[in-house]
Amino acid sequence: GQNIDQPTEMTATEGAIVQINCTYQTSGFNGLFWYQQHAGEAPTFLSYNVLDGLEEKGRFSSFLSRSKGYSYLLLKELQMKDSASYLCAVRVGTGFQKLVFGTGTRLLVSP
Amino acid sequence: DTAVSQTPKYLVTQMGNDKSIKCEQNLGHDTMYWYKQDSKKFLKIMFSYNNKELIINETVPNRFSPKSPDKAHLNLHINSLELGDSAVYFCASSYSGRSETQYFGPGTRLLVL
Repeated sequence: GQNIDQPTEMTATEGAIVQINCTYQTSGFNGLFWYQQHAGEAPTFLSYNVLDGLEEKGRFSSFLSRSKGYSYLLLKELQMKDSASYLCAVRVGTGFQKLVFGTGTRLLVSP
Repeated sequence: DTAVSQTPKYLVTQMGNDKSIKCEQNLGHDTMYWYKQDSKKFLKIMFSYNNKELIINETVPNRFSPKSPDKAHLNLHINSLELGDSAVYFCASSYSGRSETQYFGPGTRLLVL
């Protein structure tokens, strides 16, 4: 089976740093994606990790540990516009693969 | 300039009706997907097509029938709509390589009364 866990909700203050964790137990692993989804909008791609380590992209960084089945998304210098849901997704399968999504973490950034 | 587009954006209908949702992408991708996002915001894949061939078919009721007339279009027809079909349906597309990112359409909000 596929199991991907994220905290349901987090709150943080503008300018702060927040870390959103994702743990997974899946049959097969071919990479982990983070997507951002604002209310009423489509998910948009943030980051992709397939090897262990940290990937940095501006204010956002994503970390992966394959041996621990663990990833996190780090958001620095939080802005009000970062209030959104953050979806962790694992690519599984052989041949044509599919994304299995976690339940998402709703982040609320307050002034 | 819209990359992945869907129509309609909103769909309100009665139980038992049949409806279709259309999706088009202009990114030149060879793979397209349908996802369902329920009221708890859980996003789950339903179908995937690669070059018009069905490659992923999750455990979806056979009232749902996807159709891909060409690799830029993927439609979803739903027969005999039920209350539990109310959700947001997202279309997505990507290239078929391992690390390729999926790009999502704006979603179709379906409400079955």
